[in-house]
Amino acid sequence: NAGVMQNPRHLVRRRGQEARLRCSPMKGHSHVYWYRQLPEEGLKFMVYLQKENIIDESGMPKERFSAEFPKEGPSILRIQQVVRGDSAAYFCASSPAHSEIRPAIGDGYTFGSGTRLTVV
Amino acid sequence: GQNIDQPTEMTATEGAIVQINCTYQTSGFNGLFWYQQHAGEAPTFLSYNVLDGLEEKGRFSSFLSRSKGYSYLLLKELQMKDSASYLCAVSSGNTGKLIFGQGTTLQVKP
Repeated sequence: NAGVMQNPRHLVRRRGQEARLRCSPMKGHSHVYWYRQLPEEGLKFMVYLQKENIIDESGMPKERFSAEFPKEGPSILRIQQVVRGDSAAYFCASSPAHSEIRPAIGDGYTFGSGTRLTVV
Repeated sequence: GQNIDQPTEMTATEGAIVQINCTYQTSGFNGLFWYQQHAGEAPTFLSYNVLDGLEEKGRFSSFLSRSKGYSYLLLKELQMKDSASYLCAVSSGNTGKLIFGQGTTLQVKP
């Protein structure tokens, strides 16, 4: 039973390039969350998605960042025209569904290993 | 607004007991989590409290008082491998979004 899978583990991009981070939730989980952890800081919520829907993107920067969770395939966090300040660890978490629309949090809330983005 | 406070650093001795406190202010409280995070790794789940009281799980226990906006994580029989950051996080509302504190870096010394 694979956990939350994120790839790549490490990603190096030059300033101005695009970064695409992928997250496959645990089997049976339909709710995906993205968090960012800047060096020496805590995790900050970015976006919450269900299949084909963005539910809460209150933590996403207004420009250059976007996320999707298509019907088939992993969730993607996309950062366009990266800058040095985007260098961070990006973690994805997933949870099962409590009902058709609500997540069941608790010990089912599981994080992936993260993608460490370095912008040079 | 929403605010989570925990000490930045703590030091303890191998074999001892340590208590890491967390205070929070949030609306729509829907549970409090503790995660352990070793450097360069993902947060791993330790405990979840939604009702007042103490939850015990092996060497780790977590306590919650909703009226005081207060939680603590208790680690007993400390081992060197317990040196890590301990993250307190609150779930606010129905979306499952977690609000994290800055984390407490615990150093266990021989």
